[in-house]
Amino acid sequence: DTAVSQTPKYLVTQMGNDKSIKCEQNLGHDTMYWYKQDSKKFLKIMFSYNNKELIINETVPNRFSPKSPDKAHLNLHINSLELGDSAVYFCASSQAEMSLYEQYFGPGTRLTVT
Amino acid sequence: GEDVEQSLFLSVREGDSSVINCTYTDSSSTYLYWYKQEPGAGLQLLTYIFSNMDMKQDQRLTVLLNKKDKHLSLRIADTQTGDSAIYFCAEKKMDSSYKLIFGSGTRLLVRP
Repeated sequence: DTAVSQTPKYLVTQMGNDKSIKCEQNLGHDTMYWYKQDSKKFLKIMFSYNNKELIINETVPNRFSPKSPDKAHLNLHINSLELGDSAVYFCASSQAEMSLYEQYFGPGTRLTVT
Repeated sequence: GEDVEQSLFLSVREGDSSVINCTYTDSSSTYLYWYKQEPGAGLQLLTYIFSNMDMKQDQRLTVLLNKKDKHLSLRIADTQTGDSAIYFCAEKKMDSSYKLIFGSGTRLLVRP
């Protein structure tokens, strides 16, 4: 199946731990994104990579570090997890050369910090 | 600012039309989008409109764009229970970034 996939789908962890969320797309896109959706469903972009280079970095704490080993992968590593990090994290991808910039979303990772 | 605003909730009866409204702030936006999020799932692009268009129709969906008022609407004809979801509008800015600014989402509930 051609898609954007994320692992894990659910992640429950304690405060202070370090965790990673993985994202892969097999659509051949060159741009990938991480979004955070809070409990009120508000969706906010965190990072964007184009051809493995960081192009968008919103005001996200340094504890969040994206890593893009290649164009098809964009992983999110979170250090010293806090209660406020609990949210659903969505990965997305698009083809930058296409002016429509349609973004394809993954199914989301629900992170719960206790 | 970057605020894209939507009403939070809409309830309609099955078979009626639904109209979801959105206001955006950046008059230079090039594309405006409507995404649908079903429970427990990611966002799925429903339709889009280019900023030089006033209206776009795609089967049961009609998008209206009023650039003067920066107002975007999505009309769903013959609303079905399967249309129950959260609907997000989003704008693509006319700059070098690939950023989409999303609205807060409108939860549509379709009653049988």
